[in-house]
Amino acid sequence: GQNIDQPTEMTATEGAIVQINCTYQTSGFNGLFWYQQHAGEAPTFLSYNVLDGLEEKGRFSSFLSRSKGYSYLLLKELQMKDSASYLCAVRDLKAAGNKLTFGGGTRVLVKP
Amino acid sequence: DVKVTQSSRYLVKRTGEKVFLECVQDMDHENMFWYRQDPGLGLRLIYFSYDVKMKEKGDIPEGYSVSREKKERFSLILESASTNQTSMYLCASSENRGTYEQYFGPGTRLTVT
Repeated sequence: GQNIDQPTEMTATEGAIVQINCTYQTSGFNGLFWYQQHAGEAPTFLSYNVLDGLEEKGRFSSFLSRSKGYSYLLLKELQMKDSASYLCAVRDLKAAGNKLTFGGGTRVLVKP
Repeated sequence: DVKVTQSSRYLVKRTGEKVFLECVQDMDHENMFWYRQDPGLGLRLIYFSYDVKMKEKGDIPEGYSVSREKKERFSLILESASTNQTSMYLCASSENRGTYEQYFGPGTRLTVT
């Protein structure tokens, strides 16, 4: 099975930086996804990491260390619209249908 | 743009009713998924399908069944709805190549009274 842990909630100030950590345990790691989900809406894709290192996309970056079973999502220059839940999900090579297992999500509240 | 649509945004049903939730995707994706999302529990996989007429149980299949008669359509069926099935239901689809990124529909908030 898989176990994915991420903090439940984080608060940050507009313009600041927030780092959301995700740790996972899986028998056959085959990629890690970050999704953003605003309240009452569908999750939308943010990033994908399958190799170690940092992937940068504008204000958002995602990092992966496969040996440590660890990823983080870094949100820079926070804006009010970044208030949302951020979901970490792992794909298991041994899972049929390329299914993902999701963490519980981290709710980020951006304050003025 | 990939589009995943779900038949209803909000649904209210009575205990014991049979409930159908429909999902349609327009990108010819092989894989389709049904999740439920509950506060504190995150997204949990109910069933998925990687081809027409194929289905696989996810992590919480009890009380649910699915149907995939056409590639673009994946239906979730609650044979006899119960109050503990009150939840947000999300459908997703993905290709069988590349990053296998999943695209989500807008969700159906189901209330069983």
